[in-house]
Amino acid sequence: EVQLVQSGAEVKKPGESLKISCKGSGYDFTTYWIGWVRQMPGEGLEWMGIMFPAQSHTRYSPSFQGQVTISADKSINTAYLQWGSLKASDTAIYYCAIARDGTYVWDYWGQGTLVTVSS
Amino acid sequence: QSALTQPASVSGSPGQSITISCTGTSSDVGGHNSVSWYQQLPGKAPKVIIYDVSNRPSGVSNRFSGSKSGNTASLTISGLQAEDEADYYCNSYTTNNKPNYVFGTGTKVTVL
Repeated sequence: EVQLVQSGAEVKKPGESLKISCKGSGYDFTTYWIGWVRQMPGEGLEWMGIMFPAQSHTRYSPSFQGQVTISADKSINTAYLQWGSLKASDTAIYYCAIARDGTYVWDYWGQGTLVTVSS
Repeated sequence: QSALTQPASVSGSPGQSITISCTGTSSDVGGHNSVSWYQQLPGKAPKVIIYDVSNRPSGVSNRFSGSKSGNTASLTISGLQAEDEADYYCNSYTTNNKPNYVFGTGTKVTVL
């Protein structure tokens, strides 16, 4: 069974750093793209960026380029989304999702990680 | 990259059919057969219900169907049921901008 399990909710202050994770199981981590999606409170879904862990190939949305870092550790089938300096506007639910290389469908999704940034 | 355009809300009575549109450009919806649709129940993660314009994943009800004409894709829900009340998002591959995918603005479906 394919599963994406994300790390738990976080409460941070503005200016703090954060790294959240998404651990995959039940599939070949190296043959799927992994993407990160932001959902701000009461809003829609936005692509932040996608990565092909097998080649460390990463594509960021212009809105998020330079604001976050997407990375992965193939040895433990885990992807990460990282901020160097959080802002209140980063408060959102963040989802990871996967798509098999060569397809365009994001088959499986993590349960989401709620990040709250407040002073 | 601007989001694909969906109606903000669509409603229908149980048993009726409703259709949600998703309008883009020739760089996304019109240029690729890569439109997928996602259902997001309240407080839950999105779930794919249609992929490659009109294909249903295993286990998804055949009351959901997808189509495309030009730069507009559509999701139809037939025999509307209370459990269909959710937010629905289209998604398309795009050559316009990285990361090469774009979501629609989302549609809230209400079952009257």
